[in-house]
Amino acid sequence: GQQLNQSPQSMFIQEGEDVSMNCTSSSIFNTWLWYKQDPGEGPVLLIALYKAGELTSNGRLTAQFGITRKDSFLNISASIPSDVGIYFCAGTTSGTYKYIFGTGTRLKVLA
Amino acid sequence: DVKVTQSSRYLVKRTGEKVFLECVQDMDHENMFWYRQDPGLGLRLIYFSYDVKMKEKGDIPEGYSVSREKKERFSLILESASTNQTSMYLCASTLYSGNTIYFGEGSWLTVV
Repeated sequence: GQQLNQSPQSMFIQEGEDVSMNCTSSSIFNTWLWYKQDPGEGPVLLIALYKAGELTSNGRLTAQFGITRKDSFLNISASIPSDVGIYFCAGTTSGTYKYIFGTGTRLKVLA
Repeated sequence: DVKVTQSSRYLVKRTGEKVFLECVQDMDHENMFWYRQDPGLGLRLIYFSYDVKMKEKGDIPEGYSVSREKKERFSLILESASTNQTSMYLCASTLYSGNTIYFGEGSWLTVV
């Protein structure tokens, strides 16, 4: 099925560093969502974005809805070991039941 | 907070068995979904439901059926489990279409 392009695919970072990842689509979305998934667990919602240009924070996490409505970005500041996991994006449009998910970014934090 | 609860976290079933995966949400959401997640394939939609007793096929409905008798509960049924249905199954719900989708904890199914 269709998946959103997400980059990077994986990254090793040192504890305390900032992390950036992004998601791009060939389609326009009305809603962008970011999730974190730990091994063996379901995805947990981190941030939801509903408007082009919107910038939203959740603790050390900040996400932005791209102005073209075809991309979104997630930043994690001052990473800590528990940030390890897979982060993925999702996009959808009003009036549809279809959610398109990103390929995921695997984050590994070195203490 | 939205809570989507999948009653079985880990199951091991034999080929040919009938399998029920149950999901309950507590936020009066209209829509509920079943996905399966496999390495390299991402999340694939099996079925979704937009109202009680209403269902729509997703991208990979073959070998599965669903039941939604009450608004808060959505069940996934494998009529005759096969080894290629070994996977992580995720239930999800949304208040309305195009809105934030919330996932359950996942059910790991192994078919031997």
